[in-house]
Amino acid sequence: QQQVKQSPQSLIVQKGGISIINCAYENTAFDYFPWYQQFPGKGPALLIAIRPDVSEKKEGRFTISFNKSAKQFSLHIMDSQPGDSATYFCAASGGHDYKLSFGAGTTVTVRA
Amino acid sequence: ETGVTQTPRHLVMGMTNKKSLKCEQHLGHNAMYWYKQSAKKPLELMFVYSLEERVENNSVPSRFSPECPNSSHLFLHLHTLQPEDSALYLCASSQTASGTEAFFGQGTRLTVV
Repeated sequence: QQQVKQSPQSLIVQKGGISIINCAYENTAFDYFPWYQQFPGKGPALLIAIRPDVSEKKEGRFTISFNKSAKQFSLHIMDSQPGDSATYFCAASGGHDYKLSFGAGTTVTVRA
Repeated sequence: ETGVTQTPRHLVMGMTNKKSLKCEQHLGHNAMYWYKQSAKKPLELMFVYSLEERVENNSVPSRFSPECPNSSHLFLHLHTLQPEDSALYLCASSQTASGTEAFFGQGTRLTVV
């Protein structure tokens, strides 16, 4: 059973636009929510992560929004650049299920 | 570089072959993982090692056999694989086996013919 559901599967955005990726989870014991970025031919790399004690975390052009009551979190990429074109994975872990559960990934294409 | 090195980067093997994937981490971490990445699917956790002891085996077929001789090295021994085992195999490490802040290698692209 997939514990983290991610959408959309892919998206295309113009340079300078905003990319938004959404994830939903069921396990209320989850307390760590990272986002990973993966370029072709590379392994995933940690981009940004949040814990449920805050509703938003921003690092540069990347922002995580977290809604604990809805059990949802999202990644916003502001002022999207062609170099942001990659596959993005959300993940979650916590409680007895300490291992990371990953979403299926979103392929983002930023058009110049 | 992420500090996690995997070899080989690409591997083509027949269904009757035996091969091994190697992973080495230079980060001083205590936990290491094998993941399988197939197209359009979430990363699948296969094995978890903490301090060289296997702490998780996620119902992986016995044709995949992991080995962790020390906290810096992890192997995945492969034998009599099936074409559906073709995928990107990723190694990762983290400070502890909590799964937080995992660092991934570049993966081995495996094709079973």
